[in-house]
Order: sequence, then C-alpha cells, then structure tokens
Amino acid sequence: SAVISQKPSRDICQRGTSLTIQCQVDSQVTMMFWYRQQPGQSLTLIATANQGSEATYESGFVIDKFPISRPNLTFSTLTVSNMSPEDSSIYLCSVEPTVGEQYFGPGTRLTVT
Amino acid sequence: DAKTTQPNSMESNEEEPVHLPCNHSTISGTDYIHWYRQLPSQGPEYVIHGLTSNVNNRMASLAIAEDRKSSTLILHRATLRDAAVYYCILRLRSAQKLVFGQGTRLTINP
Repeated sequence: SAVISQKPSRDICQRGTSLTIQCQVDSQVTMMFWYRQQPGQSLTLIATANQGSEATYESGFVIDKFPISRPNLTFSTLTVSNMSPEDSSIYLCSVEPTVGEQYFGPGTRLTVT
Repeated sequence: DAKTTQPNSMESNEEEPVHLPCNHSTISGTDYIHWYRQLPSQGPEYVIHGLTSNVNNRMASLAIAEDRKSSTLILHRATLRDAAVYYCILRLRSAQKLVFGQGTRLTINP
C-alpha cells in the first residue's frame, strides 16, 4: 500500500492566479498520476508524471495550463495556472506501488472566484 | 478504452449482501476488471480486480461471467461505511492509467 498526502487540502483563489498543489508519498514510486474531479462528476486523468522525464498529458489537458514537476520518486506538484471558475474542482494524485492497485491522496478542493 | 455500463444508483440494507453489476460487452482478452470505490469527501479506494477467475479479498468478492462480458462486485455483509460510489473499470495490464465512468452510487439503509 501507500500513504499519500496532499497540500493544501483546500483553497479559494481569485481568477487569473495560479495554485501549486503538492503530493507526497511515503514510498518511492515510478509513476504518479494527477486527476481532476469536477463538481458532481467522475474522475478524469490529467497527466502521468515519471521521475526524470516530462509528464504525459491526456487529451484536453496541456502543459501550459497544468505544469507538473517530479523532482524525485516520492514527490510531485501540479500547478493550475491562470485559473478561471471552470477550474473549480477536486484535484487528486495517485500512485500504483503494486500492479493493479492504485492509491489516491485525499484530494485538494479548489474554488476559483 | 473498453466501456463499462453500471446502474446509476442502488440501495440496500445494512447487514445484507449487495451485488453491484457491471456490463462490459466490448472487453478484450487482455483487459483486467478493476473495482474502486469513493466514499464521501475522500479519494477513490482500490477494492478488487481480476481477469477471468472469481476473486476474493477481505473487502469483497468479484464474480466474472464465463464470457467476461459482465461482472458483479459482491459485498457480503454491507455496513453503513460501504455507502459510496463504486466504479467498474477495464484496463490493460500494461496500462496504468484508470478511466473512470460514472459509477454506481450505493446507499445503505440502517
């Protein structure tokens, strides 16, 4: 298993600003995943982050809007840039230390006003 | 990614078994069937996964049809804590990303 923490747990931000979300894992993992969950919706994968290489983004998500860093095997950040109210969502990171079993963080609840 | 179909919602009573169905008629031979659940205000939680044979763990059982076009997640004795959205997901063993559908919202009555 894996224990994942995220910071901040929630934030209220003004449009046009940026927020960086941190994800810390208690063990070394190769890949980390970032998801978005819009209000009342299911989860959508934003990108996959490998340590030492550029993140791989899913269709509809771009690096300029959601830059990701992966400086080591236990940590990653996701930045939500130039925010608009449509970015109000829960952002979650996850890891898969055991094949087939993915573990999620508690999420960061972002509200953009 | 192959598609899954689940009922939007289900209701059951505490201490009774719950059978959550999932249809996946376009499943390929290399797709694994995964189940996750999301309790209120929490991130998703891994429940169980399988390929062809039925699987059991401490949380649940997974019954897979012989043709693999459907599966059922079985909670043997539901508690109030089992109230959650349950997601049935297909994925290739080699692919680590999860593609979530809308899931089934399970309500447990005391």
